[in-house]
Amino acid sequence: DAGITQSPRHKVTETGTPVTLRCHQTENHRYMYWYRQDPGHGLRLIHYSYGVKDTDKGEVSDGYSVSRSKTEDFLLTLESATSSQTSVYFCAISWGSTEKLFFGSGTQLSVL
Amino acid sequence: ILNVEQSPQSLHVQEGDSTNFTCSFPSSNFYALHWYRWETAKSPEALFVMTLNGDEKKKGRISATLNTKEGYSYLYIKGSQPEDSATYLCAFPGRGGSQGNLIFGKGTKLSVKP
Repeated sequence: DAGITQSPRHKVTETGTPVTLRCHQTENHRYMYWYRQDPGHGLRLIHYSYGVKDTDKGEVSDGYSVSRSKTEDFLLTLESATSSQTSVYFCAISWGSTEKLFFGSGTQLSVL
Repeated sequence: ILNVEQSPQSLHVQEGDSTNFTCSFPSSNFYALHWYRWETAKSPEALFVMTLNGDEKKKGRISATLNTKEGYSYLYIKGSQPEDSATYLCAFPGRGGSQGNLIFGKGTKLSVKP
C-alpha cells in the first residue's frame, strides 16, 4: 500500500446534491490524479494536480472541480451530481509522468 | 485528443500458453510509456515505466519492449498462469507531457484457463 486513502469508500446520493470525494496521501508525491472507471471506457482522467493549488483538466472534467490546498489532500467535488456520474473513482499519486502511479482503493459512487 | 490504443480487447488462453499484446501511442513528443496490471476488484498496479527507444523490461514471466519511433509497445507473458488473469493497461502522457497528464488505453483483458 503506497499510503493513499480514499474516502468515502462507498456513497449513494441523489441527483442534484453536491458530493466531495477525498484523496489523502502520506508519501509527499507531487502529482495527484482523479480517474473514473466505467465499463467500455477503462480509466479516464478527470483532473490532476502537479502541486499545491496547481491543477489542470483531464479528458472528462465537465461537472467536476478539484482543489489541492495542501500536498497530502486532493479533493474532487461534484457540484450537482447526475446519474451519469455514477462510477468508480480512483485517486492516484506519482512523482511525475515518467514515474509509476500508485492507486488508491477506489470510491464507488452511485447517483440515484 | 490523444489516442492510446490497445489490442486485442480480450484474450483467452490456456495455462502454459505464452501470449502478447500491443499498445499503440503517438510517436511524436515521447516522454514515457506505462504498463499496469489490474485484477478484478482491486486497484491497478504498475508493472513497468519505459522511457527509452529499444527499452526492454522484465518482471518474472512478464516482459515489455518499446519502439518509440513507430509508436508501439509489446507486453509478453511467458507460460501464462491462472493468476495472470487481469486487465493489462498501458498509459501515455498526454497534453502537458512530463507534467503528468497520463492517458490510459482501454486495456487488454486476459483470461487464463487452468
